[in-house]
Amino acid sequence: AQTVTQSQPEMSVQEAETVTLSCTYDTSESDYYLFWYKQPPSRQMILVIRQEAYKQQNATENRFSVNFQKAAKSFSLKISDSQLGDAAMYFCAYRSNAGNMLTFGGGTRLMVKP
Amino acid sequence: DTGVSQNPRHKITKRGQNVTFRCDPISEHNRLYWYRQTLGQGPEFLTYFQNEAQLEKSRLLSDRFSAERPKGSFSTLEIQRTEQGDSAMYLCASSLSRLGGVEQFFGPGTRLTVL
Repeated sequence: AQTVTQSQPEMSVQEAETVTLSCTYDTSESDYYLFWYKQPPSRQMILVIRQEAYKQQNATENRFSVNFQKAAKSFSLKISDSQLGDAAMYFCAYRSNAGNMLTFGGGTRLMVKP
Repeated sequence: DTGVSQNPRHKITKRGQNVTFRCDPISEHNRLYWYRQTLGQGPEFLTYFQNEAQLEKSRLLSDRFSAERPKGSFSTLEIQRTEQGDSAMYLCASSLSRLGGVEQFFGPGTRLTVL
């Protein structure tokens, strides 16, 4: 079974600075997807960014980018120019190409200081 | 509103009672998923439908839990004889298989409190 681990329960960043959230996963598969989801307080979860394992190029979405290290099974999220609205729980998630369910990590609470 | 909707948003019940939650997916999304999220944890997969067929169930889904999607549109999740350990946020998500079904869109969740 696949597992996803987020080793940072909480992170803090100053507004306009850059922060990196860590995620590692365990799988024996070679074809899969990785995601970062954002869950603001009392609001629904939204997709921030996704990465296909077969792609070597790291995904980017505006201020959000990932560092995907397939051999190391590492998938970190970098948020540049942090904004107050980035404050939320961030979840790393894994999906096998052969399956449909998402396997989530335990989450990292990001606080943004003005 | 074209997003995933869930009702009710909050439910408080007494131990032993039955509860039912409803999820309306994004229109035309043929895949629907249920997850459970306890406080401070990531969501855990419960079950998955493609159209009206329930194709996958987690071992977390005990006999007291049942999910349906009768016409391939909305879905219901029923918990019978609720226990305090059932207290959690129940999340619904949907996706479109025509696009590979990779991205799942989540609803706001139903928060269940069992007293």
